[in-house]
Amino acid sequence: QKEVEQDPGPLSVPEGAIVSLNCTYSNSAFQYFMWYRQYSRKGPELLMYTYSSGNKEDGRFTAQVDKSSKYISLFIRDSQPSDSATYLCASGSRLTFGEGTQLTVNP
Amino acid sequence: GAVVSQHPSWVICKSGTSVKIECRSLDFQATTMFWYRQFPKQSLMLMATSNEGSKATYEQGVEKDKFLINHASLTLSTLTVTSAHPEDSSFYICSARSSWGTLADTQYFGPGTRLTVL
Repeated sequence: QKEVEQDPGPLSVPEGAIVSLNCTYSNSAFQYFMWYRQYSRKGPELLMYTYSSGNKEDGRFTAQVDKSSKYISLFIRDSQPSDSATYLCASGSRLTFGEGTQLTVNP
Repeated sequence: GAVVSQHPSWVICKSGTSVKIECRSLDFQATTMFWYRQFPKQSLMLMATSNEGSKATYEQGVEKDKFLINHASLTLSTLTVTSAHPEDSSFYICSARSSWGTLADTQYFGPGTRLTVL
């Protein structure tokens, strides 16, 4: 079993939609949880960083961690075409990545 | 803050030659640097972890004699692909992490280097 699992999609939504991206993890020792955004042929860009359980909001982005169910979520409100990218969840001090979800926001 | 650069951004080389990729943390001191490889439509695969002044720790299945990593200073790490072959063609990405201050425990990624071996 992979330590971090993510539905690779692809996911296609209309502009303005609320997007929900999800990951599960198996290592209960994980304390740090990150979401990265990666545009094609670019390095990943850190979007959100959370420690332990709870929610964290930054503009249109909300990261949610539920340690009881080992579930990580990223919500994007009022999605824009510029949000079209691959979103990677990651956890652990050595960063174990999920497979990445390819998101397309259609104008 | 927390900018990581890589050079070159794209390199093409002949089979059998060696290629060096540089990774620099521009505005912070990176106690740890990581090297990843990413094939098309796949996630990042960690190749090795290096701490400044120490030998790199390689992930299982990564040939340490083929992928030479040097982390000689707190702002520079290099990856040398020796005797490159077409199957080494990939997107190589480094990341850097500081142990201090507000940047601690967060990895910041470089823009990646696309290697094509002919």
